[in-house]
Amino acid sequence: ILNVEQSPQSLHVQEGDSTNFTCSFPSSNFYALHWYRWETAKSPEALFVMTLNGDEKKKGRISATLNTKEGYSYLYIKGSQPEDSATYLCAFKGGGADGLTFGKGTHLIIQP
Amino acid sequence: GAVVSQHPSRVICKSGTSVKIECRSLDFQATTMFWYRQFPKQSLMLMATSNEGSKATYEQGVEKDKFLINHASLTLSTLTVTSAHPEDSSFYICRAISGNTQYFGPGTRLTVL
Repeated sequence: ILNVEQSPQSLHVQEGDSTNFTCSFPSSNFYALHWYRWETAKSPEALFVMTLNGDEKKKGRISATLNTKEGYSYLYIKGSQPEDSATYLCAFKGGGADGLTFGKGTHLIIQP
Repeated sequence: GAVVSQHPSRVICKSGTSVKIECRSLDFQATTMFWYRQFPKQSLMLMATSNEGSKATYEQGVEKDKFLINHASLTLSTLTVTSAHPEDSSFYICRAISGNTQYFGPGTRLTVL
């Protein structure tokens, strides 16, 4: 059983503040790490697919880094806005695996 | 910790047959379960939302007569792909919610020949 952990499980952030959270995954047999922004009862929005150690990707105010050797990825949100409230989900794909192993998500709430 | 299981993990079937996929919450009661499918190189797409004891709510474009969802108990939801065709080949994943916590199943790879 692959262990993909996200922390914290939930997070309350004041509007305008920056924040970050973590996804840890197996450091062996790595193929890709996916980040999703997920609003309940909607299809998740793909944010990033990261494949290379040291990758850093950015989309607007959201960015992510990847360390495959130690098995972690950080997601950063700069200047949080209420519309950033969602669950942020990471998913690990190992080499040869058919699907993704998901973390449980970090539930982010931005307080006005 | 809580675990959500899916069975089978992988299934290959002939075109025209029906396939049932089970999603079980093993040590918690899931008030709501979501079913998603993921086509190669694409994100997860929500198919339907099911609440225990009531009819599932389907997303636009998802045929409710083709993808039958039953959520008969707080620990079990089933997705039946009826008269499967090759275009239904996909990765199906369930997500179970209990309170503020959500858990994902490991997914089922369906291949229709």
